[in-house]
Amino acid sequence: EDQVTQSPEALRLQEGESSSLNCSYTVSGLRGLFWYRQDPGKGPEFLFTLYSAGEEKEKERLKATLTKKESFLHITAPKPEDSATYLCAVRYLAGGTSYGKLTFGQGTILTVHP
Amino acid sequence: DTEVTQTPKHLVMGMTNKKSLKCEQHMGHRAMYWYKQKAKKPPELMFVYSYEKLSINESVPSRFSPECPNSSLLNLHLHALQPEDSALYLCASSQEEGTITTNEKLFFGSGTQLSVL
Repeated sequence: EDQVTQSPEALRLQEGESSSLNCSYTVSGLRGLFWYRQDPGKGPEFLFTLYSAGEEKEKERLKATLTKKESFLHITAPKPEDSATYLCAVRYLAGGTSYGKLTFGQGTILTVHP
Repeated sequence: DTEVTQTPKHLVMGMTNKKSLKCEQHMGHRAMYWYKQKAKKPPELMFVYSYEKLSINESVPSRFSPECPNSSLLNLHLHALQPEDSALYLCASSQEEGTITTNEKLFFGSGTQLSVL
């Protein structure tokens, strides 16, 4: 069964304490992996797209990496304003369809304390 | 302008009411989407419009009726909803509809928080 699983469900960090979020997937025909940030009561905000194993992308304190089975979102020296829910989503060839179905993981709720 | 604008931001309606959610984008995107998001859950795809035509309906109940009057506007008409339909309704757009040969990123609006009493 095609699945996208994020871990941990929730993560509490002290300001400046670096860590990583995980997104593992068991889909065939991956066409892209996306990371989004979502603040409470808001829509998801695009962060990164990764297409192939070994690819890495960075933006400020965030760095996303991709392997054949999972993606990591590394947060270096986080600040309280990095607190949000981080969603990963994968686009893959769904069975019987001709379009790239986008499926979201459950998300990781990140809280950074000052 | 990289915004997707949704109105209203909040909506409370009774089970016999008829209401509409509106979404607008001026990025020239040709694909627009409706997602439903329950609290602490990921967004779930409802509908996709591509070039103003309904491309995907993810088996959504008929009490939800989408409409795409033009390439910049997307509506979701609501009728006879149930309390379990209470959720954050998100509109999104992308340059083209995501296919197996593209990796279109989606731009999301801030959503309409819907409460059905």
